Amino acid sequence: QSALTQPASVSGSPGQSITISCTGATSDVGNYNLVSWYQQHPGKAPKLMIYEVNKRPSGVSNRFSGSKSGNTASLTISGLQVEDEAGYYCCSYTANNTLLFGGGTKLTVL
Amino acid sequence: QVQLVESGGGLVKPGGSLRLSCAASGFTFSDYYMTWIRQAPGQGLEWVSSISSGGDNRYYVDSLKGRFTISRDNAKNSLFLQMNSLRSEDTAVYYCARDVETALDQWGQGTLVTVSS
Repeated sequence: QSALTQPASVSGSPGQSITISCTGATSDVGNYNLVSWYQQHPGKAPKLMIYEVNKRPSGVSNRFSGSKSGNTASLTISGLQVEDEAGYYCCSYTANNTLLFGGGTKLTVL
Repeated sequence: QVQLVESGGGLVKPGGSLRLSCAASGFTFSDYYMTWIRQAPGQGLEWVSSISSGGDNRYYVDSLKGRFTISRDNAKNSLFLQMNSLRSEDTAVYYCARDVETALDQWGQGTLVTVSS
């Protein structure tokens, strides 16, 4: 099964908002509200930022939000901060009781 | 606090075997699914395998079926990944994660597996 499709890179200036898309299929993103997003700084373990499409774990800034339309999920980061510069990965549960990650997006804060 | 600590990585020759461990603490291990994820150097995350809380159900990425085996010991709060017939493309950092069935909410720091002659 192919990875979910994410843009390789996005960029923004401090204070701006950016959105990262994650496109799958009806067998994963489109049919399940089980999309999650992970932030990974270089050399570190991933950190859960969004689960069940649009829910934030305790401790995650409300500058991070998620949404979904059809087969595409999105992560929006508002009020960009330098520390948001990292890799971001979407993930979806699938019809086969498996997990499928996106290819990852590198966010650069200019 | 929740802690997941992987171990067992290292350098292994192609065709060799390795057993990874993940020691869990700070939560009731037997209540949770657990998952292994890997990340090749400079690449993205790849789901490897998941196991149900009691160990009865196991799931694998299709490309690894038959070579990798996931298991757990709830009495010892430990998760394992037995990796056989290793190939160069298995070189990666392997992470264990707590699986709350809608997301992976806690991750270990990872252990590096290098397959090379």
